[in-house]
Amino acid sequence: ETGVTQTPRHLVMGMTNKKSLKCEQHLGHNAMYWYKQSAKKPLELMFVYNFKEQTENNSVPSRFSPECPNSSHLFLHLHTLQPEDSALYLCASSQDFGNTEAFFGQGTRLTVV
Amino acid sequence: QQQVKQSPQSLIVQKGGISIINCAYENTAFDYFPWYQQFPGKGPALLIAIRPDVSEKKEGRFTISFNKSAKQFSLHIMDSQPGDSATYFCAACYNQGGKLIFGQGTELSVKP
Repeated sequence: ETGVTQTPRHLVMGMTNKKSLKCEQHLGHNAMYWYKQSAKKPLELMFVYNFKEQTENNSVPSRFSPECPNSSHLFLHLHTLQPEDSALYLCASSQDFGNTEAFFGQGTRLTVV
Repeated sequence: QQQVKQSPQSLIVQKGGISIINCAYENTAFDYFPWYQQFPGKGPALLIAIRPDVSEKKEGRFTISFNKSAKQFSLHIMDSQPGDSATYFCAACYNQGGKLIFGQGTELSVKP
C-alpha cells in the first residue's frame, strides 16, 4: 500500500447520475492531484491542490468538480458524464508541490453507460 | 514543449535479457525525470528517478541513462524477470511548474 486510498475501486454510472470519487492520504503530504488514465494515452493531469488550494485546472470540463476540504482528503464530483469519460481516475499526493515523488492510489475504474 | 515522447509502446523480452525504454523531451527547464512502474489493477509507483546533474543512476537491476544535450533519457532493466512485466511510464517535471508530464507508457512483457 502506498498510503493513498481511493474509493470506490469500480464505478458504473449513467450519464444523468451524480457520483463522487474519494481519495485519502495519511502521509502528511501537502499536495494532491487527480489524473485521468485512458488506454494508450499518457496520464492526464486534471487538478492540483497545494495546501488545500486549487493551483491548477488543466482545462477540465465542468462536469468534473474537485473538492479538497482538508490536506488529507480530495474528492472528484461527477455529473452528466459522457461515455468518453470512462477511464481510470488516479489520485496522487506529494510532500510538496514540485519535483518530488508522487504517490498514487490504486485508482477508480469508471464506466459511463 | 510540454510533451514527453516515449518508445516503444510495447516490448517483449526474454527472461535474462535487457529491456530498454526511451524517452525524449523538449522543455529544457525540466529538472526531474522519474520512471514509474504500474502493474494491472494498481496505481503507478515510483521506480527510479534522476536529476540532470548526473548522466546515470543505478538501483539494483534498474539504470537510468540521461543525455542532457540530446534531451533524452532511458530506462535499462538488466537480467529482466517475468515479475518485471508491467507498464512503465517516464515523466518529467520542473520545479517552478510542479506537475509531472508523463510519457505514453510502455507495456513490457518478459517471457520465461
